Amino acid sequence: NAGVTQTPKFQVLKTGQSMTLQCAQDMNHNSMYWYRQDPGMGLRLIYYSASEGTTDKGEVPNGYNVSRLNKREFSLRLESAAPSQTSVYFCASSELQNSPLHFGNGTRLTVT
Amino acid sequence: QQQVKQSPQSLIVQKGGISIINCAYENTAFDYFPWYQQFPGKGPALLIAIRPDVSEKKEGRFTISFNKSAKQFSLHIMDSQPGDSATYFCAASMNSGYSTLTFGKGTMLLVSP
Repeated sequence: NAGVTQTPKFQVLKTGQSMTLQCAQDMNHNSMYWYRQDPGMGLRLIYYSASEGTTDKGEVPNGYNVSRLNKREFSLRLESAAPSQTSVYFCASSELQNSPLHFGNGTRLTVT
Repeated sequence: QQQVKQSPQSLIVQKGGISIINCAYENTAFDYFPWYQQFPGKGPALLIAIRPDVSEKKEGRFTISFNKSAKQFSLHIMDSQPGDSATYFCAASMNSGYSTLTFGKGTMLLVSP
């Protein structure tokens, strides 16, 4: 049982480059989330999708876009990466919005 | 505006001791309070959660104490073990409507052998 799978695990980008972080869950969950984790800052919500076909901004959405491709997949796109976006990115899913979150193992992104 | 304040930032406890992590919240509409545990290189995982209709919830060595009037809740780890060394996050959300979890900044726990 894979749970929440994130790809890639590691990525290094130059300032201005773009990339898409992929996330897929196999638990038939309705809601999916993208968080970033920075030292001393905890987990901050970037975007979430309460259900297939909907997306909403979280606490720190600037510089990011998301796509809920289908019920399983929720991608996060950085159009023009900046050093401030160096972080560990976690995707999570939940059956409903107030059900327990299931996290992937993260993507460690470095922007130089 | 930090809606969930967590302390301490880091904690060292001897094996067999009690680890205590505290959280305070501001939004009285919060009614779901989970704790997540995160090991290095892994995503956070739900450890234990409480709703405000009870003052305490215990699961094995882990206990949440909840004080609604003070708007505070805490995690107690009894008989702490080296395998408990991890980062712990408290969180809060509202059960009604569309709501997402707000996390505390985390506590790095080290249990020394």
